Amino acid sequence: EDKVVQSPLSLVVHEGDTVTLNCSYEVTNFRSLLWYKQEKKAPTFLFMLTSSGIEKKSGRLSSILDKKELFSILNITATQTGDSAVYLCAFASSNTGKLIFGQGTTLQVKP
Amino acid sequence: GAVVSQHPSWVICKSGTSVKIECRSLDFQATTMFWYRQFPKQSLMLMATSNEGSKATYEQGVEKDKFLINHASLTLSTLTVTSAHPEDSSFYICSARVGYGELFFGEGSRLTVL
Repeated sequence: EDKVVQSPLSLVVHEGDTVTLNCSYEVTNFRSLLWYKQEKKAPTFLFMLTSSGIEKKSGRLSSILDKKELFSILNITATQTGDSAVYLCAFASSNTGKLIFGQGTTLQVKP
Repeated sequence: GAVVSQHPSWVICKSGTSVKIECRSLDFQATTMFWYRQFPKQSLMLMATSNEGSKATYEQGVEKDKFLINHASLTLSTLTVTSAHPEDSSFYICSARVGYGELFFGEGSRLTVL
C-alpha cells in the first residue's frame, strides 16, 4: 500500500528561525512529489519535484527530493508569522495521476 | 494559474437530506477531477477519481452509493452526499487537472449535517 509520512506532525518556532519539514514515502509507480501549503481553505501549490538532487527554490522556501532514500525536505528560512500553516506533502502516481497526501505538518511561527 | 471553483463553500443540512457540491474548472478543460475529504486536523483523504464521460473510481472504503459523483462535462463534476448524517460532516475539496499536469484545487466546501 502506498504511504506518505511527514514529520514532525507539529512544530512551533519563533520568527526568524529556519525550519525543515520532512516527507518520506513508500510508493509504487512514482511520478512526482508535491508540496502544498494549507491555511484556512484548500491547499495552495508550492513545489513539484520529479528529479533527485535538484533543489527547487521560491523566495525563502526551498525543497529537494532524494529518490534513492525516498524522502523530500521542505526548508523555510527566516520564518514569518504568515508562514504558519499546515504543510502537506503528496505523491503523484504515474499510472493513475492521483495524489496521496501525508498527514501534514502544522507549523506555528510565533512573533 | 488555472481556477477551480467549488460551490457551495459551506452548507448546513438536516440529517437524511442530500447535498450536491459542484466543482468547475473555469478556464481550462479538466479531463480528470479528484474529490477529497478532510476531517478536522487531519490530512486530505482521496475519495474518488472522476473522468469525464465515465464512471468514477472510488477509493477503498468509500461508499459509491452514498457519495455519487458525476462528471458530465470537461468543466463540471458534482459530488452528491446522499442521505447525509452527522458523521458525513467534513470539508470536501475537489481538484482538477489536464492530462498529467499540475493539480488545481477548489476552495473547498464545508458540510455540516445536523
